[in-house]
Amino acid sequence: GAVVSQHPSRVICKSGTSVKIECRSLDFQATTMFWYRQFPKQSLMLMATSNEGSKATYEQGVEKDKFLINHASLTLSTLTVTSAHPEDSSFYICSAPPKYFGPGTRLTVL
Amino acid sequence: KQEVTQIPAALSVPEGENLVLNCSFTDSAIYNLQWFRQDPGKGLTSLLLIQSSQREQTSGRLNASLDKSSGRSTLYIAASQPGDSATYLCALMMDSSYKLIFGSGTRLLVRP
Repeated sequence: GAVVSQHPSRVICKSGTSVKIECRSLDFQATTMFWYRQFPKQSLMLMATSNEGSKATYEQGVEKDKFLINHASLTLSTLTVTSAHPEDSSFYICSAPPKYFGPGTRLTVL
Repeated sequence: KQEVTQIPAALSVPEGENLVLNCSFTDSAIYNLQWFRQDPGKGLTSLLLIQSSQREQTSGRLNASLDKSSGRSTLYIAASQPGDSATYLCALMMDSSYKLIFGSGTRLLVRP
């Protein structure tokens, strides 16, 4: 079946630094990818929709200048958390429609 | 605004038991409903998808039902096994955009 990979699986960074997370569709093309965030013991919340060839669309309350999304090709979307702070520590998961999810990236900001 | 609630938040059962996980939602105008499984620190695996016009779906030991009018869905797991231990998430799609609204999940532990 279709596979979505994410890299890195875990990252620890200092406050104020930027972190890039990659999401790849390995055996299919995805014109759209979704980025979700999951805080401990909470549900996944949609952050933004990544669109190949056009700007990402962000859900209400998500800062587009803080969470930069680039859909560089039909198989790659990246999420960059800029000037990360401890409150950005979370589990970030990408998804390619209709139902394929990456394994997630655990971000810890010290 | 659609709200999705899952009860119970956690469940521990001995191996072999049949069990029911519940999902309720406030806006019945859904496009479809999915049940996912999430293993610790990992992504999601889709288990069952029920279209808004359907009442239930079955896959192996799993059966999911949908009652749109009452805003409820249940996931029935028959003859539970330790390998079923995971977090089960209910997710709704409100239109054909593929955007999902998730419940907070039920953490299931099946004891050998």
